[in-house]
Amino acid sequence: GGIITQTPKFLIGQEGQKLTLKCQQNFNHDTMYWYRQDSGKGLRLIYYSITENDLQKGDLSEGYDASREKKSSFSLTVTSAQKNEMAVFLCASSIPGDANTGQLYFGEGSKLTVL
Amino acid sequence: GDSVTQTEGQVTVSESKSLIINCTYSATSIGYPNLFWYVRYPGEGLQLLLKVITAGQKGSSRGFEATYNKEATSFHLQKASVQESDSAVYYCALILTSGGNYKPTFGKGTSLVVHP
Repeated sequence: GGIITQTPKFLIGQEGQKLTLKCQQNFNHDTMYWYRQDSGKGLRLIYYSITENDLQKGDLSEGYDASREKKSSFSLTVTSAQKNEMAVFLCASSIPGDANTGQLYFGEGSKLTVL
Repeated sequence: GDSVTQTEGQVTVSESKSLIINCTYSATSIGYPNLFWYVRYPGEGLQLLLKVITAGQKGSSRGFEATYNKEATSFHLQKASVQESDSAVYYCALILTSGGNYKPTFGKGTSLVVHP
């Protein structure tokens, strides 16, 4: 089996600061995702990457940048953190397409607090 | 676009009672719908509870069951007798395959609280 590692698990930043979350997977999956999880709003897709060096915007991409430097890693940057912004960010990976159910595998999440 | 609607907010159930969390979906994009239930226990990551990729089939795990009803476009989660350890947030998800679709669709989540 594989694992998805998100770092850091807890991130505290100042308003206006640029903050970066990192995600590593050893499943050798092609596709990776970043979701934002808020209570009562479910999982909202921020960015996804179909394969290495690919980037696709999700429904909540404004205010974020992403980078897929290599197949195993996918980073998410909050370009200017907003005060009172608290959320859990989830990284996931999958093998899409006919040969797979499309199941997503998730990391444990990174909790962001902005002071 | 594609959408998933599930029982919203918090559901409170007494231990040993039955549970149903409703989930209906709408798949308008190209591809075949595969259906999933994910669960997030307190302090843990989001993990797969069960999945069904064939219409008419039932999936089961940890005493939970869900049947892929293509006619009703539903995938309700049921359990005959809940335990306190089932307290968690449950997400219904739709993932389309065979159509080049890479955007899974999740419901808003249902928080289950089981009282002893």
